[in-house]
Amino acid sequence: DAMVIQNPRYQVTQFGKPVTLSCSQTLNHNVMYWYQQKSSQAPKLLFHYYDKDFNNEADTPDNFQSRRPNTSFCFLDIRSPGLGDAAMYLCATSRDRVESKNIQYFGAGTRLSVL
Amino acid sequence: AQTVTQSQPEMSVQEAETVTLSCTYDTSESDYYLFWYKQPPSRQMILVIRQEAYKQQNATENRFSVNFQKAAKSFSLKISDSQLGDAAMYFCAYRRRNNNDMRFGAGTRLTVKP
Repeated sequence: DAMVIQNPRYQVTQFGKPVTLSCSQTLNHNVMYWYQQKSSQAPKLLFHYYDKDFNNEADTPDNFQSRRPNTSFCFLDIRSPGLGDAAMYLCATSRDRVESKNIQYFGAGTRLSVL
Repeated sequence: AQTVTQSQPEMSVQEAETVTLSCTYDTSESDYYLFWYKQPPSRQMILVIRQEAYKQQNATENRFSVNFQKAAKSFSLKISDSQLGDAAMYFCAYRRRNNNDMRFGAGTRLTVKP
């Protein structure tokens, strides 16, 4: 059974048109992450939430925002998508932030196309 | 900054044979964790195996084992008795202890030939 669920699996948007990707989890984990994975590249962390505490990576563009209304859901908002934002977006969760054997559980990803 | 390098963009192995995927990393830390994740086509990434840097013994999970060489900063994954279901993209990853930022390598695409 899927524990980290991303919807939709495929998303097409137009250049400059805001888009929201969603992630939900049934694990009751404290931490939720968003990664961007471009073709043939490593996943790159954009930001993460520890409970309601938002942690942005220094090089994440301002175009990317996130919301976490409750423990189960986390959203990635791209305010004005550019062609360079076309990528796979991965959501992940972990039980805690600094637990020594912290393991991240990933969703299947949303592939975003920008036309 | 910590970096993770996977020098083999693609590898192939015959079913039932053994294959080794390479990973090197760069860090000045002494306490950290290393991971191998598997990403099958159109499916979620799952953890294959993990290694704690303070442990000298190499981690093993069924057909999967690692060769952890801390001084050389090398962390290779050996898959024994390869199965068709092992075909996937494999990512090596590093995480510093008490830090949430996981660094991934660029991945190795493994093909298993019947």
